[in-house]
This record gives sequence, structure tokens and C-alpha cells, in this order.
Amino acid sequence: DVKVTQSSRYLVKRTGEKVFLECVQDMDHENMFWYRQDPGLGLRLIYFSYDVKMKEKGDIPEGYSVSREKKERFSLILESASTNQTSMYLCASNPWTVSGEKLFFGSGTQLSVL
Amino acid sequence: AQTVTQSQPEMSVQEAETVTLSCTYDTSESDYYLFWYKQPPSRQMILVIRQEAYKQQNATENRFSVNFQKAAKSFSLKISDSQLGDAAMYFCAYRSPYNNNDMRFGAGTRLTVKP
Repeated sequence: DVKVTQSSRYLVKRTGEKVFLECVQDMDHENMFWYRQDPGLGLRLIYFSYDVKMKEKGDIPEGYSVSREKKERFSLILESASTNQTSMYLCASNPWTVSGEKLFFGSGTQLSVL
Repeated sequence: AQTVTQSQPEMSVQEAETVTLSCTYDTSESDYYLFWYKQPPSRQMILVIRQEAYKQQNATENRFSVNFQKAAKSFSLKISDSQLGDAAMYFCAYRSPYNNNDMRFGAGTRLTVKP
């Protein structure tokens, strides 16, 4: 089975800190995604990467950046954390060749910014 | 852009009974993919069922089935013989075949199963 691993299950940070959320997948998938999950809003796409060093903005990229130096690893960076970035962050991956392919998700990181 | 609407924030069902979760979507595309994902308390999102819009036959996976009404843009999930392990958040999702990064999710429905 595909495994998508997020490095932290819970994270507490202070306003203004630089925050790194790490995600690793073990199935050689080209596509990797970062979503934000908030109650009543579902999942919203922050950033998407289809290859090493390639990235595209999703619906809510403001305040975030990403890094993909290796195919298996996709990092989400909060340059200066703010309280409105308190949320659940989900990483996902899938192969790029089939557009209807399901997403494989990690277990999420619950981030609290104080 | 496509939108996905789940009008039931919360639902409950008695163990062993049947429950239906609603989902509607808005699109101008004729071909697309629809999904139901389950997110249990462990937070690991799991695919429950997948439907291709060009297939008229409703998808089924064991106790899970869908009622896909393309003209009405409706995609409801029916869970039969509900079990305690079915308790979770359920998300409906839409994906365009032309844009692999464009998966749209509904707001979710929290399902409670009563023993």
C-alpha cells in the first residue's frame, strides 16, 4: 500500500515563527498536494507539485510556500505563522498519468499558532 | 470553477440501518470523476467509492453504493447495514479529467452511528 507520512501529528507554534511541515511518500508518485482542512469549508488546495522543483498555486497560497527538492518529499512552509493559519494540514499524492486516480492522503498535521 | 455542496453537516444512523449522505455539484463539463472519501477519527482519509461520469451504472463497494444522477448533478452515498466503524467525516469530491490538480471537496458530513 502507498504510504504518505507527515512528520508531525500535532504542532504548536508562536506567531511570527517560520514553520515547516514535511510530507514523504513511498510510491514514486509524480503529484503531491498540500490541503488545508477547516470545519465547514472542507479541503482547500494550497499548493500542488507535479515534479521535482515544479509547483503550482492552489486556491489559497497566500502566506505559504513549498519546496520539492526530491520526488518523494514535499514541504509546506509558513514563512511567518499567523493565528489564522491554525488548521489541519493534509498532504496527498497520486501518479500523474491518470486524471481520475484517487488521492493517497497522510494522517494530517494539526497546527496551532498562538 | 466547479463547486461541491454537502447540505448535511451532521447525520446519525442506528447500527444495522441504512443512511444516505447527499452531495450535489456544479459543472459545465460532460466528463468527470466523483469520489466519496471517509475520514475516521484517525484522520487518515480513505477512498470509499469512485464514479466515472460517462458510466451510467452506479458504483458499489460492498455495503456502500451511490445514486448518481448526472442530469440533476447529484451524487449521494448510501451506507447499508451501518456499523460502528462507519462513524466518520465523509467528503464528496469532484475531479475534472482535464486538470489533475483540480479536485474539489465538499464541506463534509459527520456521520454518527448509534449502537
